[in-house]
Amino acid sequence: AQRVTQPEKLLSVFKGAPVELKCNYSYSGSPELFWYVQYSRQRLQLLLRHISRESIKGFTADLNKGETSFHLKKPFAQEEDSAMYYCANTGGSYIPTFGRGTSLIVHP
Amino acid sequence: DTGVSQNPRHKITKRGQNVTFRCDPISEHNRLYWYRQTLGQGPEFLTYFQNEAQLEKSRLLSDRFSAERPKGSFSTLEIQRTEQGDSAMYLCASSHPRQDNEQFFGPGTRLTVL
Repeated sequence: AQRVTQPEKLLSVFKGAPVELKCNYSYSGSPELFWYVQYSRQRLQLLLRHISRESIKGFTADLNKGETSFHLKKPFAQEEDSAMYYCANTGGSYIPTFGRGTSLIVHP
Repeated sequence: DTGVSQNPRHKITKRGQNVTFRCDPISEHNRLYWYRQTLGQGPEFLTYFQNEAQLEKSRLLSDRFSAERPKGSFSTLEIQRTEQGDSAMYLCASSHPRQDNEQFFGPGTRLTVL
């Protein structure tokens, strides 16, 4: 069965510090990976996807097939980045498998 | 179009009662998904529709759960004989293949079974 692992339940940093939210996946085929974000009192929404290779709100994520990882990075965290972040893999189907999420807290 | 909507937003029921939730997807989104989310977990897939056809159901979806999407637009999720373990947030999402399978989520329905 597919698995998406986010090892950190909570990540706490100070404003301006670099941030890396880890995501590892297990899937034998071609993965299709996403990061979703949920800000306080808002619905879950897409942040970025690996196929578009774009930077959204300063965040980037690179697919590393050798390490089966898709870590989310930002060089300088902002307070408004505080949220729950979920990694998901749709690879091979239309049904995503989500990780358990990482809560990012950015302190002023 | 204001996005995916779900009703009710909150539901409190007694064990053994039946409950029904509704999801209205974004217009023209042919795919509709139901998820369950409990505290400290990510969304867990329950079932998926393409138009009116229910194409996949998770093993999480016991016989007490049924979902429909009769006209390929809105969907309902019914839970019969609710149990305390059914307490969770039930999320609906829709997607369209032209949007690279991006899921658009509703606000969820929080179910509490007493």
